[in-house]
Amino acid sequence: AQKITQTQPGMFVQEKEAVTLDCTYDTSDPSYGLFWYKQPSSGEMIFLIYQGSYDQQNATEGRYSLNFQKARKSANLVISASQLGDSAMYFCALERGSQGNLIFGKGTKLSVKP
Amino acid sequence: EAQVTQNPRYLITVTGKKLTVTCSQNMNHEYMSWYRQDPGLGLRQIYYSMNVEVTDKGDVPEGYKVSRKEKRNFPLILESPSPNQTSLYFCASSFRGTYGYTFGSGTRLTVV
Repeated sequence: AQKITQTQPGMFVQEKEAVTLDCTYDTSDPSYGLFWYKQPSSGEMIFLIYQGSYDQQNATEGRYSLNFQKARKSANLVISASQLGDSAMYFCALERGSQGNLIFGKGTKLSVKP
Repeated sequence: EAQVTQNPRYLITVTGKKLTVTCSQNMNHEYMSWYRQDPGLGLRQIYYSMNVEVTDKGDVPEGYKVSRKEKRNFPLILESPSPNQTSLYFCASSFRGTYGYTFGSGTRLTVV
């Protein structure tokens, strides 16, 4: 069965430092997608970055990059130069099989310290 | 503005009283889905739809119904709500996964 795991319930990082949020997944589908979402305290879900299983390069979007290690089935999010506004819940998600079908991890609460 | 619109934002209802949470998107997206978010459990998928008249169960479909009669709308129906359906609900849509899923603002439902 498909599964996605975020092992860090909470993390702290100093402002301006980089931080890595862990995500591992399990799927038997040869084609799949991996997503990261940010949920600030206001509650909205903000799409950050996407990685396809056949993509040759790791995805990057501004200060966000995805460290995709297919053999290890991990898709860690790296946030460079953390800002106070990065404090939020972060969710990793797996698009399994047919599109539209997402499974989410339980999330990591990131707190950025000034 | 491209968006997913959910209504209502907040709802308090009583056990057993049928309700519908509406979801509409103006981006001509094919894929739409519903999730519930509970503390410590993340988001769990209730139902998803790949196109008009094509829907399938997610991980927690019990007690919910959906329909997709038009591409833009994907309502979530609770025929007989119970207190364990108290949760934060999100609707989402996507043209293709690579572009990410756009989420609505959420509906906080309380069943007493």
